[in-house]
This record gives sequence, structure tokens and C-alpha cells, in this order.
Amino acid sequence: GQQVMQIPQYQHVQEGEDFTTYCNSSTTLSNIQWYKQRPGGHPVFLIQLVKSGEVKKQKRLTFQFGEAKKNSSLHITATQTTDVGTYFCAGTGFQKLVFGTGTRLLVSP
Amino acid sequence: DTAVSQTPKYLVTQMGNDKSIKCEQNLGHDTMYWYKQDSKKFLKIMFSYNNKELIINETVPNRFSPKSPDKAHLNLHINSLELGDSAVYFCASSLLAAASYEQYFGPGTRLTVT
Repeated sequence: GQQVMQIPQYQHVQEGEDFTTYCNSSTTLSNIQWYKQRPGGHPVFLIQLVKSGEVKKQKRLTFQFGEAKKNSSLHITATQTTDVGTYFCAGTGFQKLVFGTGTRLLVSP
Repeated sequence: DTAVSQTPKYLVTQMGNDKSIKCEQNLGHDTMYWYKQDSKKFLKIMFSYNNKELIINETVPNRFSPKSPDKAHLNLHINSLELGDSAVYFCASSLLAAASYEQYFGPGTRLTVT
């Protein structure tokens, strides 16, 4: 079945450092979504990318969709303690959203 | 007003019992989902309903039975609970069934089976 893997599984950074999580799918995706889950919370939609090679920015967050539409990345510039949480990519295929394995981000002040 | 609500928030029960989790959305969405998040945070879809009709049924034991009385509600009944059922269960909704629509998640129900 379709698999979506993310690396790293876990990253601990100092506040102000940059952070990147990578998402790779075993199959070509129609589009990709990103969600953030705060500790003890629920996943919250961040953004969707549709086009090959698409890049979108939300303040300090930059999202990219690969040219082959099989991979994606999320980059956070100058992390803040409010960025703490687990970041999931989710690819669409076979009429359902398949969530990636997630990257847990811890930010120390 | 809470967009997607679930009850209860916590559920502690013994093996073999039967329990239900309720979900309601006030967003006017057509599609609702149940997800299971295990201790490693993996998030897996279990079921999806579109306008009360089951459209996705992943490989889930038939001890799990979803019911959608109307498109604003999706409940999950679990029979003969097992230790491996311990997880956080999230309900979610989206405007339409196509996977390209963003999903709105409820706060989750933490189920602990002892």
C-alpha cells in the first residue's frame, strides 16, 4: 500500500535555529497537505501544495513540493518555542489522505 | 463554538468491555472520518463517511462499527475491547469527500484498555 515516510523522526533545536522535515512517498501524489499537532492536541491543517515544484511560504515556514510529486519538505526559519509539536505531511491517493510518520520538534529556549 | 467535538475526552475501561465514542461537527461538512493514533504518533484512517454513506473502510477488525445517523454525526462503537485498542481516536471532517479538502480534527478521545 501507499506509504509516506518522514525524516527525521525527532529533532531537538535551540530557539533561533532552523529546522527542516522531509516527506517521501512511495507513489506519485496528487497533492500534499501539512498538519501540525501540538503536544496533547489534535492535528491542525497548515497548507496544501498541488503543483509540481510548488513553493509556498507562511511567515517563517516554507513548504516545497518536489518536481516528481513524490516528496515534500517543510522548513522553519529561526524556530520559536511556539513551533514545538509534531509535523505531519499527508499525501492524497486512492481517495484518501495518507499521513506521514511525523517529525516531532522540540525547541529549547 | 467548537467545530468538531468528541465525547468522551478520556475513556478507561477493562478488556472485553464495549464502549462508544461520539463525534459531532457543526461545519456543515459532508464527510467525516475516524482516525487512530497509536503511541508512536502514527495516524491511520479507519473509516470515512460521506453524507451518511460509508466510503472508506480500512482493514479494521469488525469489532469496530461506525454509525452515522446524519451527516453531522459519526459515532464509533467498539466491542470486546483489547489491550491493543489503547490509542487516541480522532474524528475529523471535510467539506467534501475528495482527499484534496483540508480536514478539521476533533480534540481526540484517549482510550486506555486495562
